[in-house]
Amino acid sequence: AQSVAQPEDQVNVAEGNPLTVKCTYSVSGNPYLFWYVQYPNRGLQFLLKYITGDNLVKGSYGFEAEFNKSQTSFHLKKPSALVSDSALYFCAVRDTYSSASKIIFGSGTRLSIRP
Amino acid sequence: GAGVSQSPSNKVTEKGKDVELRCDPISGHTALYWYRQSLGQGLEFLIYFQGNSAPDKSGLPSDRFSAERTGGSVSTLTIQRTQQEDSAVYLCASSPEAGYKGYEQYFGPGTRLTVT
Repeated sequence: AQSVAQPEDQVNVAEGNPLTVKCTYSVSGNPYLFWYVQYPNRGLQFLLKYITGDNLVKGSYGFEAEFNKSQTSFHLKKPSALVSDSALYFCAVRDTYSSASKIIFGSGTRLSIRP
Repeated sequence: GAGVSQSPSNKVTEKGKDVELRCDPISGHTALYWYRQSLGQGLEFLIYFQGNSAPDKSGLPSDRFSAERTGGSVSTLTIQRTQQEDSAVYLCASSPEAGYKGYEQYFGPGTRLTVT
């Protein structure tokens, strides 16, 4: 069975500082990993994904994430946070072991950037 | 191009009534998902349609919930005999998954359901 965990309900960072939002997963085969963002009163937007290849993937709005197979993690990072990055962030995973597998989401992490 | 649309955007209903929520996916997307989100919290998986395969209904919380997808396009989520705990935002997402499972999902704006 596949699962995904976001251990932090909330992350608080000062503007200009680096930020990390954590995500760990469990799958039977190889994972496809995704990050989505939900701004207040707006729909979910795709940020980036890892399918194969380079472990460091870059996405929208200056975000990047590093796939670490040994630690089964896919943490979201940004070198310098902006107040406008404040939002709800979701990690998602799909297990490639089964053709019938579906995408499942973590519980979300609320990112708050203070000026 | 057109994205995923959902209707209605808001629905207020009395406890015990039935409701239907509609999702129009992006044209050509073979996969369609329904999720439920309560009070800006996590996404609870409800049901997954992929092409002509039998839908994965493993996330439906009770037999009051059902969904169908007609002609591989539009989907309707039906909640019978609504309860107050059904109040949430219901999100629909579609994805072009035929033959490749690495595509991201495209989400609709959601339907906010309030059961009074």
